[in-house]
Amino acid sequence: KQEVTQIPAALSVPEGENLVLNCSFTDSAIYNLQWFRQDPGKGLTSLLLIQSSQREQTSGRLNASLDKSSGRSTLYIAASQPGDSATYLCAVKEAGTALIFGKGTTLSVSS
Amino acid sequence: GAVVSQHPSRVICKSGTSVKIECRSLDFQATTMFWYRQFPKQSLMLMATSNEGSKATYEQGVEKDKFLINHASLTLSTLTVTSAHPEDSSFYICSARDGASGRYEQYFGPGTRLTVT
Repeated sequence: KQEVTQIPAALSVPEGENLVLNCSFTDSAIYNLQWFRQDPGKGLTSLLLIQSSQREQTSGRLNASLDKSSGRSTLYIAASQPGDSATYLCAVKEAGTALIFGKGTTLSVSS
Repeated sequence: GAVVSQHPSRVICKSGTSVKIECRSLDFQATTMFWYRQFPKQSLMLMATSNEGSKATYEQGVEKDKFLINHASLTLSTLTVTSAHPEDSSFYICSARDGASGRYEQYFGPGTRLTVT
C-alpha cells in the first residue's frame, strides 16, 4: 500500500530564506505527484503537478522536483515571505486511484 | 476553470441528526468524485470514491451506511452523514476529477466544517 511521508513536520525560518520541503513515497509506480498549500481551516490550493514522465515543474518562486525511481520529491521555495506560512501537502496518484496524501509540513516564516 | 464548490461551508448539528453536504463541479464534468476527511492537524484521509451513476467505493474502516454518497449527475455529488455523533466532527473535503483533460488532475472544493454537538 502506498505511503507518503513528509519531512520535516514543521519548519520555522526567517523571511528571505530559501527552503526545501521533502516528500517520499513507497511505491514508485505513480501516475503523478502534486504539491498543495493549505491555510488553517481552509481548503487546498494546488501549487504544482508533476507528471511521472517529468522531473520538475516551476511556478514563480516554487520549484518541485520528482525522482520517481528513488521515490522522492522536493518543493523548493525561494526567498520565503511571511505570506508563505501554511501547511504544504504532498500527494501522489497511482493509476486508477485517488490522491494519497502525506501529513504535511507546517511552515512558519517570520518577518 | 476547474472550480469545485461545496455547500455548506460550515454546519453545526445536534447528535443523532443527519447532515447533507453538496459538492459541485462548476465548469467541467466530473466522472469521478472523491470524499476526504481531515481531523485537526492531520492529513486528508480518503473516505470513498464515487463514479457517476454507480455505487460509491468506500475505503476500509468507513461505514457506508453512515456516510451515504450519491453521485447522480456529472456535476453533483452529495455526502450525507447519518445519525451524526460528536466523533464525526471533522473537515470534509470533496474532490472532482476531470477525466476529459487527460491529466487526471483532481480539483478540490473549499471544504465543509462539520461540528456535532
